[in-house]
Amino acid sequence: NAGVTQTPKFRILKIGQSMTLQCAQDMNHNYMYWYRQDPGMGLKLIYYSVGAGITDKGEVPNGYNVSRSTTEDFPLRLELAAPSQTSVYFCASSYSRGATAYEQYFGPGTRLTVT
Amino acid sequence: DAKTTQPTSMDCAEGRAANLPCNHSTISGNEYVYWYRQIHSQGPQYIIHGLKNNETNEMASLIITEDRKSSTLILPHATLRDTAVYYCIVRQTFSGNTPLVFGKGTRLSVIA
Repeated sequence: NAGVTQTPKFRILKIGQSMTLQCAQDMNHNYMYWYRQDPGMGLKLIYYSVGAGITDKGEVPNGYNVSRSTTEDFPLRLELAAPSQTSVYFCASSYSRGATAYEQYFGPGTRLTVT
Repeated sequence: DAKTTQPTSMDCAEGRAANLPCNHSTISGNEYVYWYRQIHSQGPQYIIHGLKNNETNEMASLIITEDRKSSTLILPHATLRDTAVYYCIVRQTFSGNTPLVFGKGTRLSVIA
């Protein structure tokens, strides 16, 4: 298994541009998550999904959108990029059995700079 | 806000046991203690979790006090590759939509 994969690894955006961060997992996990990590800080949850077609906001959703059309993919869309969105973005997924979700597996991250 | 308190940094000699403490005095009865680590620039990696009994796996041991207000992660024979930031997190396992709340963690430096 490749686990959780993210593309691109690095990206520089100009203010006002938009882009989509890709995330895919091949472990048949129901739950998927997007986090951001600012320098020297812990991770903060942006959005999460409990299954295809179902998404919900996390702690810091403003400026982002997500979709979950398949179990495998969970893209994160940035519209009108701002310098405050400069961060490292991590995607994660976890297995669930009934209402119980287990440990999260993380991708390698996307380092985004907005200038 | 994170529900845990950890030291900012610790050093450990290579080959010795690394003992990382965590305080979680407000933990509730249905919350588990999770440990993750983040090696520089990589995504966090799950290590271990427990409810009230001590747990051991191939990576580490988790010792939880009887009152569950604190715990210790033990890496029995630390290597240079264990240098990382270690996060102690409390969370209700049964709710997948409960996010992992990462604090600042403990930066462990393993020294040769």
